Order: sequence, then C-alpha cells, then structure tokens
Amino acid sequence: QKEVEQNSGPLSVPEGAIASLNCTYSDRVSQSFFWYRQYSGKSPELIMSIYSNGDKEDGRFTAQLNKASQYVSLLIRDSQPSDSATYLCAVRGKTSYDKVIFGPGTSLSVIP
Amino acid sequence: GAVVSQHPSWVICKSGTSVKIECRSLDFQATTMFWYRQFPKQSLMLMATSNEGSKATYEQGVEKDKFLINHASLTLSTLTVTSAHPEDSSFYICSAVKAGLVAKNIQYFGAGTRLSVL
Repeated sequence: QKEVEQNSGPLSVPEGAIASLNCTYSDRVSQSFFWYRQYSGKSPELIMSIYSNGDKEDGRFTAQLNKASQYVSLLIRDSQPSDSATYLCAVRGKTSYDKVIFGPGTSLSVIP
Repeated sequence: GAVVSQHPSWVICKSGTSVKIECRSLDFQATTMFWYRQFPKQSLMLMATSNEGSKATYEQGVEKDKFLINHASLTLSTLTVTSAHPEDSSFYICSAVKAGLVAKNIQYFGAGTRLSVL
C-alpha cells in the first residue's frame, strides 16, 4: 500500500466551479498535512497546511482533514484557468524530524 | 517571505562529468534542507535530508557516493552528481525548512534544476 495516494486525474472542471481534490494516507500517526501546487516544469509551491481535524480556509482554498478516516482534501472555489496545475498532497509523520511523503499528484484542468 | 534560490536552473553535461547544484535560503536560516528528484509526470522522491554541520541522511536506494551532499552553512546546501550518466537526467529540487519552524516542517522549495546528461 502506497503511503500517500491521490487520484492522478486529470480532473476537469469548468471555470467558476468547485474543484475537489482528495488524498488518503496510510500512517495513522501522521500529524502534518500539506497541499502544494506545481505547474509544469516548475517546483512546488505551498498552498495550505493543516494539522488538526476540520476545515481550514484561505481565500478560495479550503483544506479538510479527517484523521479517523485518514483523509485530507482540498477544495478550490470559483476555479480559474490559472488554477490548472498538478496538486500534490504531502504528509509528515508524528515527529518534527519525520520526513514528508508526497503523493503522486492530481492534475487539474480548469476549462474556460 | 521565504525565498530559496537554486542554481543552476538547467544544465547539460557529458556522461562521466560531475555537476554541482546549489541551494540557498536567501532570507532565512535553514537547519534542514531536502533534496528531491522528480521524473516526468511523477511525484517528488526524497533523495536525502541535509542537516547543517552533519552528514546527510540518504533514502534507501540512493547512492551517497554518487550524490554528494554538503550543508556547510545555515543558508547553503550543495548536491554534487558525480560521474553523471544519462539515467541521472532528471529534475532535481531542493527545499529548506526555516530554523524554528521545524515543528511545522513547512518546506520552501527552490525553482529546481533540470539536468540532462548526454
């Protein structure tokens, strides 16, 4: 079983719609969760970090964490063509010294 | 902000030569830096964790004698690909964690280095 799993996509949504990206992880003691956006040929940039159960909102982005279900998601409201990218879910273990494991990424395409 | 500079952004070299990639944290001190490798349409694969003043910790399957890492200061880590071969061609990305923010482990990424070995 892979440590961090995501649907590879591509996920296509029309402009203005809500894009929903999902991620599951296998290590039950994981404590830190991150969503990164990566444009083709570029390095990842951090969008959100979340550490406790529930929702965390930042502008058009909302991260949702459910540790019991080992599930973390990212919602993008009012999707824009500029949101078209690969979204990487990343998970860190129990301690601050645990390495961060990246998922394979979900490719999102926002259609104008 | 938290800016990480990675240089060079693109390098082409002949097989058998060595290539050095630099990763600098420009506006913060980084006790820990990470080196990743990414093949096309694949995710980031952690190669090694670089801690200032100590030896790097390599992931399983990564040859430490081939990928030399030096983290000589709180703002600079280097990755040297020794005796590069075509199979080493990849996108190499570094990231840095702000000192004092290790508990949150928010990584700031460099722009990446695309290595092509002929």
